[in-house]
Amino acid sequence: DTAVSQTPKYLVTQMGNDKSIKCEQNLGHDTMYWYKQDSKKFLKIMFSYNNKELIINETVPNRFSPKSPDKAHLNLHINSLELGDSAVYFCASSPGGNVAKNIQYFGAGTRLSVL
Amino acid sequence: SQQGEEDPQALSIQEGENATMNCSYKTSINNLQWYRQNSGRGLVHLILIRSNEREKHSGRLRVTLDTSKKSSSLLITASRAADTASYFCAPGGYSGAGSYQLTFGKGTKLSVIP
Repeated sequence: DTAVSQTPKYLVTQMGNDKSIKCEQNLGHDTMYWYKQDSKKFLKIMFSYNNKELIINETVPNRFSPKSPDKAHLNLHINSLELGDSAVYFCASSPGGNVAKNIQYFGAGTRLSVL
Repeated sequence: SQQGEEDPQALSIQEGENATMNCSYKTSINNLQWYRQNSGRGLVHLILIRSNEREKHSGRLRVTLDTSKKSSSLLITASRAADTASYFCAPGGYSGAGSYQLTFGKGTKLSVIP
Protein backbone atom coordinates (compact mmCIF):
# COMPACT_ATOMS: atom_id res chain seq x y z
CA ASP A 1 0.00 0.00 0.00
CA THR A 2 1.29 3.45 -0.92
CA ALA A 3 1.88 5.50 2.22
CA VAL A 4 1.61 8.97 0.65
CA SER A 5 -0.19 9.07 -2.67
CA GLN A 6 -0.77 12.09 -4.84
CA THR A 7 -2.74 12.45 -8.04
CA PRO A 8 -2.30 13.09 -10.83
CA LYS A 9 1.30 12.10 -11.52
CA TYR A 10 1.46 14.34 -14.58
CA LEU A 11 -0.53 17.48 -15.30
CA VAL A 12 -0.25 19.43 -18.55
CA THR A 13 -2.41 22.50 -18.88
CA GLN A 14 -2.70 25.92 -20.48
CA MET A 15 -1.85 29.24 -18.87
CA GLY A 16 -4.78 30.76 -17.03
CA ASN A 17 -6.44 27.47 -16.16
CA ASP A 18 -7.30 26.31 -12.64
CA LYS A 19 -6.11 22.89 -11.47
CA SER A 20 -5.99 20.77 -8.33
CA ILE A 21 -3.58 18.19 -7.00
CA LYS A 22 -4.76 15.70 -4.41
CA CYS A 23 -2.78 14.06 -1.63
CA GLU A 24 -3.69 11.32 0.80
CA GLN A 25 -1.66 9.57 3.49
CA ASN A 26 -2.54 6.32 5.24
CA LEU A 27 0.15 6.54 7.91
CA GLY A 28 -2.03 8.15 10.56
CA HIS A 29 0.24 11.20 10.62
CA ASP A 30 -0.89 14.53 12.02
CA THR A 31 1.13 16.82 9.76
CA MET A 32 1.12 17.20 5.98
CA TYR A 33 3.15 19.40 3.65
CA TRP A 34 3.34 20.71 0.11
CA TYR A 35 6.74 21.33 -1.50
CA LYS A 36 7.69 22.74 -4.89
CA GLN A 37 10.80 21.47 -6.67
CA ASP A 38 11.97 23.66 -9.52
CA SER A 39 14.07 22.71 -12.54
CA LYS A 40 17.28 23.24 -10.53
CA LYS A 41 16.08 20.64 -8.00
CA PHE A 42 15.67 23.22 -5.25
CA LEU A 43 12.98 21.88 -2.93
CA LYS A 44 11.01 24.62 -1.20
CA ILE A 45 8.25 24.26 1.34
CA MET A 46 4.96 25.92 0.50
CA PHE A 47 2.47 24.91 3.19
CA SER A 48 2.13 22.72 6.23
CA TYR A 49 -1.01 21.58 8.02
CA ASN A 50 -1.26 19.97 11.42
CA ASN A 51 -4.55 18.24 12.15
CA LYS A 52 -6.32 20.25 9.43
CA GLU A 53 -4.88 23.53 10.72
CA LEU A 54 -2.49 25.67 8.66
CA ILE A 55 0.84 26.06 10.51
CA ILE A 56 3.30 27.02 7.77
CA ASN A 57 2.45 29.36 4.95
CA GLU A 58 5.57 30.45 3.15
CA THR A 59 5.67 33.29 0.66
CA VAL A 60 3.50 31.74 -1.98
CA PRO A 61 1.17 33.61 -4.38
CA ASN A 62 -2.40 33.57 -3.14
CA ARG A 63 -3.32 31.77 -6.36
CA PHE A 64 -2.23 28.67 -4.43
CA SER A 65 -4.78 27.53 -1.88
CA PRO A 66 -4.35 24.38 0.21
CA LYS A 67 -7.35 22.58 1.64
CA SER A 68 -7.35 19.89 4.28
CA PRO A 69 -10.77 18.21 4.66
CA ASP A 70 -9.33 15.84 7.27
CA LYS A 71 -5.90 15.06 8.62
CA ALA A 72 -5.32 12.31 6.03
CA HIS A 73 -5.84 14.63 3.06
CA LEU A 74 -4.18 17.82 1.88
CA ASN A 75 -5.13 19.10 -1.54
CA LEU A 76 -3.58 21.95 -3.48
CA HIS A 77 -5.65 24.16 -5.75
CA ILE A 78 -3.95 26.55 -8.14
CA ASN A 79 -5.84 29.36 -9.87
CA SER A 80 -4.83 31.21 -13.02
CA LEU A 81 -1.81 29.05 -13.75
CA GLU A 82 1.34 30.79 -14.98
CA LEU A 83 4.38 29.50 -16.86
CA GLY A 84 6.49 29.86 -13.70
CA ASP A 85 4.27 27.40 -11.89
CA SER A 86 5.77 24.59 -13.94
CA ALA A 87 7.58 22.34 -11.46
CA VAL A 88 7.26 19.09 -9.57
CA TYR A 89 5.00 19.36 -6.52
CA PHE A 90 5.54 16.96 -3.65
CA CYS A 91 3.22 16.12 -0.83
CA ALA A 92 4.69 14.79 2.41
CA SER A 93 3.53 13.79 5.87
CA SER A 94 5.14 13.38 9.27
CA PRO A 95 4.02 12.17 12.69
CA GLY A 96 4.33 15.64 14.19
CA GLY A 97 4.81 15.96 17.92
CA ASN A 98 8.32 15.00 19.06
CA VAL A 99 10.69 16.89 16.78
CA ALA A 100 13.41 14.34 17.45
CA LYS A 101 11.38 11.84 15.43
CA ASN A 102 9.87 14.15 12.87
CA ILE A 103 10.77 12.25 9.72
CA GLN A 104 8.89 13.17 6.56
CA TYR A 105 7.44 10.69 4.09
CA PHE A 106 7.08 11.91 0.54
CA GLY A 107 4.71 11.12 -2.29
CA ALA A 108 6.04 10.39 -5.79
CA GLY A 109 5.37 13.93 -7.00
CA THR A 110 3.13 15.64 -9.54
CA ARG A 111 4.91 17.07 -12.57
CA LEU A 112 3.01 20.19 -13.62
CA SER A 113 3.69 21.66 -17.05
CA VAL A 114 2.03 24.96 -17.91
CA LEU A 115 2.02 25.74 -21.64
CA SER B 1 18.68 30.85 6.88
CA GLN B 2 18.12 27.35 8.14
CA GLN B 3 18.43 26.03 4.59
CA GLY B 4 21.03 23.37 4.02
CA GLU B 5 23.53 23.90 1.24
CA GLU B 6 25.11 20.75 -0.15
CA ASP B 7 28.57 20.49 -1.59
CA PRO B 8 29.57 19.36 -4.15
CA GLN B 9 26.60 19.89 -6.45
CA ALA B 10 27.60 16.79 -8.42
CA LEU B 11 29.88 13.84 -7.69
CA SER B 12 30.88 10.97 -9.94
CA ILE B 13 32.72 7.92 -8.56
CA GLN B 14 33.47 4.32 -9.44
CA GLU B 15 31.53 1.50 -7.85
CA GLY B 16 33.23 0.39 -4.64
CA GLU B 17 34.62 3.82 -3.81
CA ASN B 18 33.42 5.96 -0.94
CA ALA B 19 31.30 9.07 -1.51
CA THR B 20 31.35 12.07 0.80
CA MET B 21 28.83 14.88 0.64
CA ASN B 22 28.90 17.98 2.80
CA CYS B 23 26.20 20.28 4.10
CA SER B 24 26.35 23.71 5.69
CA TYR B 25 23.59 25.73 7.33
CA LYS B 26 23.32 29.05 9.10
CA THR B 27 20.97 28.94 12.09
CA SER B 28 20.51 26.78 15.17
CA ILE B 29 18.87 23.40 14.68
CA ASN B 30 17.14 20.66 16.66
CA ASN B 31 18.32 17.94 14.31
CA LEU B 32 19.55 17.41 10.76
CA GLN B 33 18.22 14.83 8.35
CA TRP B 34 19.52 13.38 5.10
CA TYR B 35 17.23 12.27 2.31
CA ARG B 36 17.76 10.53 -1.04
CA GLN B 37 15.84 11.18 -4.24
CA ASN B 38 16.03 8.76 -7.15
CA SER B 39 15.33 10.25 -10.55
CA GLY B 40 11.63 10.99 -10.99
CA ARG B 41 10.72 9.87 -7.48
CA GLY B 42 9.93 11.39 -4.10
CA LEU B 43 12.46 11.86 -1.32
CA VAL B 44 13.23 9.00 1.02
CA HIS B 45 14.53 9.54 4.53
CA LEU B 46 17.98 8.08 5.22
CA ILE B 47 19.13 9.16 8.64
CA LEU B 48 18.46 11.71 11.38
CA ILE B 49 21.13 13.10 13.68
CA ARG B 50 20.20 15.15 16.73
CA SER B 51 21.93 18.41 17.59
CA ASN B 52 23.61 16.80 20.64
CA GLU B 53 25.05 13.94 18.57
CA ARG B 54 28.34 14.09 16.68
CA GLU B 55 28.22 10.93 14.61
CA LYS B 56 25.68 8.34 13.56
CA HIS B 57 25.85 5.16 11.50
CA SER B 58 23.25 3.25 9.54
CA GLY B 59 24.50 0.38 7.39
CA ARG B 60 26.90 1.86 4.83
CA LEU B 61 25.98 5.41 5.83
CA ARG B 62 27.92 7.54 8.28
CA VAL B 63 26.76 11.02 9.20
CA THR B 64 28.69 13.57 11.22
CA LEU B 65 27.45 16.82 12.69
CA ASP B 66 29.50 19.76 13.91
CA THR B 67 27.15 22.35 15.36
CA SER B 68 30.02 24.75 16.11
CA LYS B 69 30.82 24.89 12.40
CA LYS B 70 27.17 24.43 11.38
CA SER B 71 28.11 21.61 9.06
CA SER B 72 27.34 17.97 8.44
CA SER B 73 28.70 15.27 6.18
CA LEU B 74 27.27 12.10 4.70
CA LEU B 75 29.65 9.27 3.85
CA ILE B 76 28.50 6.33 1.77
CA THR B 77 31.02 3.51 1.91
CA ALA B 78 31.57 0.86 -0.76
CA SER B 79 29.21 2.59 -3.16
CA ARG B 80 26.98 0.67 -5.55
CA ALA B 81 25.37 1.65 -8.84
CA ALA B 82 22.03 1.63 -6.99
CA ASP B 83 23.28 4.52 -4.82
CA THR B 84 23.05 6.80 -7.87
CA ALA B 85 20.61 9.51 -6.77
CA SER B 86 20.44 13.06 -5.42
CA TYR B 87 21.12 13.50 -1.72
CA PHE B 88 19.64 16.32 0.33
CA CYS B 89 20.44 17.52 3.79
CA ALA B 90 17.62 19.10 5.74
CA PRO B 91 18.34 21.06 8.90
CA GLY B 92 15.34 20.86 11.22
CA GLY B 93 14.36 23.59 13.61
CA TYR B 94 11.75 26.13 14.54
CA SER B 95 10.78 28.85 12.11
CA GLY B 96 10.10 32.42 13.14
CA ALA B 97 6.44 31.54 13.46
CA GLY B 98 7.30 28.86 16.03
CA SER B 99 6.59 25.81 13.92
CA TYR B 100 9.11 23.02 13.36
CA GLN B 101 10.15 22.53 9.76
CA LEU B 102 12.84 21.07 7.54
CA THR B 103 14.54 23.23 4.95
CA PHE B 104 16.02 21.52 1.94
CA GLY B 105 18.68 22.73 -0.47
CA LYS B 106 19.46 21.73 -4.05
CA GLY B 107 21.11 18.45 -3.18
CA THR B 108 24.23 16.65 -4.36
CA LYS B 109 23.78 14.54 -7.47
CA LEU B 110 25.78 11.34 -7.03
CA SER B 111 26.59 9.11 -9.99
CA VAL B 112 28.14 5.71 -9.25
CA ILE B 113 29.70 4.17 -12.35
CA PRO B 114 29.63 0.35 -12.54
